[in-house]
Amino acid sequence: GAVVSQHPSRVICKSGTSVKIECRSLDFQATTMFWYRQFPKQSLMLMATSNEGSKATYEQGVEKDKFLINHASLTLSTLTVTSAHPEDSSFYICSASSGTVTGELFFGEGSRLTVL
Amino acid sequence: SQQGEEDPQALSIQEGENATMNCSYKTSINNLQWYRQNSGRGLVHLILIRSNEREKHSGRLRVTLDTSKKSSSLLITASRAADTASYFCATDEKAAGNKLTFGGGTRVLVKP
Repeated sequence: GAVVSQHPSRVICKSGTSVKIECRSLDFQATTMFWYRQFPKQSLMLMATSNEGSKATYEQGVEKDKFLINHASLTLSTLTVTSAHPEDSSFYICSASSGTVTGELFFGEGSRLTVL
Repeated sequence: SQQGEEDPQALSIQEGENATMNCSYKTSINNLQWYRQNSGRGLVHLILIRSNEREKHSGRLRVTLDTSKKSSSLLITASRAADTASYFCATDEKAAGNKLTFGGGTRVLVKP
């Protein structure tokens, strides 16, 4: 299957700093990428939908100025958690769609953010 | 409201036994997918069943879909310790394009 690479896999930062997480589709062009957040033992919550070359669409309750998403190319989307606070600590997962009719999404391995 | 409720939330079985988990949803869908997640890892796609399909098989996996009841089931036959993971259903709603909505997940523990 298609490969989606997510980096970094783990990051620890101080409160108030910003953290960038990258999501790359390695062997296909991803017209759409999705960013999810997952708390321990819970399901994935969609944060935003990122389309190449346009502004991301955020889900209700997700602060767009807090979670900056950039989808500058067909193979790369980035999520920047700005001015991180301990409550932002979570597991962030991206997924990518090649836009085929199957609807299958390919997921990155996730990034665990810990804000001290 | 949450699309995709799963039950049970957790399941503990012995190796060799079958594991069955269910997923219910609320709106009309294009397809329903099942994913697996090992602890602290990303999701792996297992199987996709379209709204006009009723049953699908892939290796030891069997998925059913009942659109009249808005429910799906995932059966893992002859389970192995390596099947220990969380399993999520995800629905692709007709009105939402490729955006998937995930259920709460079922944590499966297969004891050797």
